[in-house]
Amino acid sequence: DVKVTQSSRYLVKRTGEKVFLECVQDMDHENMFWYRQDPGLGLRLIYFSYDVKMKEKGDIPEGYSVSREKKERFSLILESASTNQTSMYLCASSFDTGFQETQYFGPGTRLLVL
Amino acid sequence: GNSVTQMEGPVTLSEEAFLTINCTYTATGYPSLFWYVQYPGEGLQLLLKATKADDKGSNKGFEATYRKETTSFHLEKGSVQVSDSAVYFCALRKSWGAQKLVFGQGTRLTINP
Repeated sequence: DVKVTQSSRYLVKRTGEKVFLECVQDMDHENMFWYRQDPGLGLRLIYFSYDVKMKEKGDIPEGYSVSREKKERFSLILESASTNQTSMYLCASSFDTGFQETQYFGPGTRLLVL
Repeated sequence: GNSVTQMEGPVTLSEEAFLTINCTYTATGYPSLFWYVQYPGEGLQLLLKATKADDKGSNKGFEATYRKETTSFHLEKGSVQVSDSAVYFCALRKSWGAQKLVFGQGTRLTINP
């Protein structure tokens, strides 16, 4: 089975802190994604990566950056956390063999910024 | 642009009731359509998908048919169980380009025994 793991289930940070969210997948997937999930808004794509060291902005990249130094790991960075970044963050991965590939999701990290 | 609209939740039903969760989409071209489910405390997992018009996706007793003429992909189940309580997301992916998914806002379903 595909496994996508995220470094923390719950995280509490203070405004202005630098925050790292880590995601690891064990299926050699080329594509990796970071979403945030907010009530009434569904999932919104922050960034995605289709290869090591490659990244593309999603729909809401402001205030975030990402890093993909190894194929299995995709990090989301909040350079200076703000209260409006309190949310559930979901990582996903998929193969890149065409447009029918399923995205597999991690369990999510619930981030609270005080 | 591409967008997905789901029926407003939350939805509360009794066990063995019939379920419909409406989903309509706006997209250019011929997108692939998906239903994902999120059980409490977990990430999303694929429930079913359809990649072309008139395709029917099915899994775990759930079904959805890709209706191009009405731009819809409604989720149905004939007899729901308490274990179906979850949040359901409709999503689309463009038929070309990268792997990005566009999600609806989610519908929370609660089944009472």
